[in-house]
Amino acid sequence: AQSVTQPDIHITVSEGASLELRCNYSYGATPYLFWYVQSPGQGLQLLLKYFSGDTLVQGIKGFEAEFKRSQSSFNLRKPSVHWSDAAEYFCAYNQAGTALIFGKGTTLSVSS
Amino acid sequence: DTAVSQTPKYLVTQMGNDKSIKCEQNLGHDTMYWYKQDSKKFLKIMFSYNNKELIINETVPNRFSPKSPDKAHLNLHINSLELGDSAVYFCASSPLAGEVGELFFGEGSRLTVL
Repeated sequence: AQSVTQPDIHITVSEGASLELRCNYSYGATPYLFWYVQSPGQGLQLLLKYFSGDTLVQGIKGFEAEFKRSQSSFNLRKPSVHWSDAAEYFCAYNQAGTALIFGKGTTLSVSS
Repeated sequence: DTAVSQTPKYLVTQMGNDKSIKCEQNLGHDTMYWYKQDSKKFLKIMFSYNNKELIINETVPNRFSPKSPDKAHLNLHINSLELGDSAVYFCASSPLAGEVGELFFGEGSRLTVL
């Protein structure tokens, strides 16, 4: 069955430190991959997406993600975290005609 | 001007009642969705409509009935509410048929069943 896994339930990072959130998917064909962010009490906002082409994708708010087919991964990175980045982060993927499948999310806390 | 708007934002009700959540999008998208986010923040697709036609219906109890009067609106009606229906319900839309591509989400409607 298709699935997406976010191994880290909760991560705490110091403000100014770098961040990497992990995401692994299981599917044979090329998936469409997304990272969404959910701030407290808010809906989900798209950070970035990968459909094809360059495997390093730039998104909003200084985030980037790298698609690695050999590792079935699509990890999200940011070189320097700001306190406002504290939120819930969801990795998601789908293919044509299928439902958008979300991972269980990673809660990011930022310490000062 | 909000792109995807849901009302109400909060809803508290008793078991057994019937309630509705409304959703409207002004993005001109053809496809709209309902997602349920449980207490552990897990997001699961419930329904998807493309231009007023139901295209995805996951294993959701019959008590949940989506209605799309036009492609800009997708309402969710829930009959005989149960404690387990307590969750945040998100409406979303996308410009593409099916579920390929970016989804635009509303801010969610938090339903609490007592």
